[in-house]
Amino acid sequence: AQRVTQPEKLLSVFKGAPVELKCNYSYSGSPELFWYVQYSRQRLQLLLRHISRESIKGFTADLNKGETSFHLKKPFAQEEDSAMYYCALKGSGNTPLVFGKGTRLSVIA
Amino acid sequence: KAGVTQTPRYLIKTRGQQVTLSCSPISGHRSVSWYQQTPGQGLQFLFEYFSETQRNKGNFPGRFSGRQFSNSRSEMNVSTLELGDSALYLCASSLGFNQPQHFGDGTRLSIL
Repeated sequence: AQRVTQPEKLLSVFKGAPVELKCNYSYSGSPELFWYVQYSRQRLQLLLRHISRESIKGFTADLNKGETSFHLKKPFAQEEDSAMYYCALKGSGNTPLVFGKGTRLSVIA
Repeated sequence: KAGVTQTPRYLIKTRGQQVTLSCSPISGHRSVSWYQQTPGQGLQFLFEYFSETQRNKGNFPGRFSGRQFSNSRSEMNVSTLELGDSALYLCASSLGFNQPQHFGDGTRLSIL
């Protein structure tokens, strides 16, 4: 079965500090991993996916198959990064997208 | 390009009633998925449709059902509503299999 774990419900960091939002997954095959973000009063939107290997808004995430992790990182947090972040996994074949319970990031000025 | 549109935005119902929620996907998107979002459980998958066929179903009771029309618009129905069905119901569309999903604003359902 697919499972996504985000161990932190809330993460508070100061502006300019590094950010790491943790995501661990459980899946026996080759997964596709995503990070979605929901800013205040906005709809849930895709931030990045691991196969793209790109940086969006300064965020990066590397899939570590050995540790079954897909942590989201940013070297210098900005106030506008404050939002709810969800890690999601899609398995191979006809499987649905499974979300973690989310981490609320609060960037303090 | 217009985004995913969900109607209505808010609904108040009483226990035992039934409700139908609607989702219009982005033009050209043929896959529609539904999720239930609650503070305690987060986003839980309900169903996924592609070309009018249900491809996947989450672990919800049979009171929850859905369908997709030939124009890719989708509806979900919940019968015999319970207090625990109070939630934000999100719809997402994508071009197809394994493509990124685009979410609507959701329908907030409150059961009294």
